[in-house]
Amino acid sequence: AQSVAQPEDQVNVAEGNPLTVKCTYSVSGNPYLFWYVQYPNRGLQFLLKYITGDNLVKGSYGFEAEFNKSQTSFHLKKPSALVSDSALYFCAVRDSANSGNTPLVFGKGTRLSVIA
Amino acid sequence: NAGVTQTPKFQVLKTGQSMTLQCAQDMNHNSMYWYRQDPGMGLRLIYYSASEGTTDKGEVPNGYNVSRLNKREFSLRLESAAPSQTSVYFCASSEATEGTGSYNEQFFGPGTRLTVL
Repeated sequence: AQSVAQPEDQVNVAEGNPLTVKCTYSVSGNPYLFWYVQYPNRGLQFLLKYITGDNLVKGSYGFEAEFNKSQTSFHLKKPSALVSDSALYFCAVRDSANSGNTPLVFGKGTRLSVIA
Repeated sequence: NAGVTQTPKFQVLKTGQSMTLQCAQDMNHNSMYWYRQDPGMGLRLIYYSASEGTTDKGEVPNGYNVSRLNKREFSLRLESAAPSQTSVYFCASSEATEGTGSYNEQFFGPGTRLTVL
């Protein structure tokens, strides 16, 4: 079975400070990991994914994520937060051992609030 | 490309009424999915279609039916709506294959906000 956990419902950070949104996962094989962002009254937008290779993945809007196999984590980071980054963030996983059309499993989401 | 489109954007139903949520994608994707989003629950999979002609249940299929009309379209039907089905519904699609090792992301529509009174 595959699962993903986002331990924080809410993260608050001051504008200009670094931000981290946490994600841990559980799969039988190797993970394919994804981050999505949802702005108010919008659908989910893809930010970045980890498939293999370099543990640090860079994505859209200056976001990056670090894959840590020993800690089974894939935390989302940004060096300097913007007020416009305030949104709901979802981590998702698929086990590489599963068929490619197996749906992603999503975490419950973390609401990021960047305060000016 | 419009990507994934959903109709309607908003809908209010009375308990017991039926309706169909429509979804279409223009990216020639094989797989399509229906999720519901509720506060504190994240995204939960209702049904998915791995390829044209196939459908499978997800985590919360009760009270719903789906039809993969063709490669482009995947509809979700509520036969007898209940207040517990008040939610935001998202359709998604991906270019996925049956073999392992496919790592393509899912693309989401803008959602349908459904209220059942």
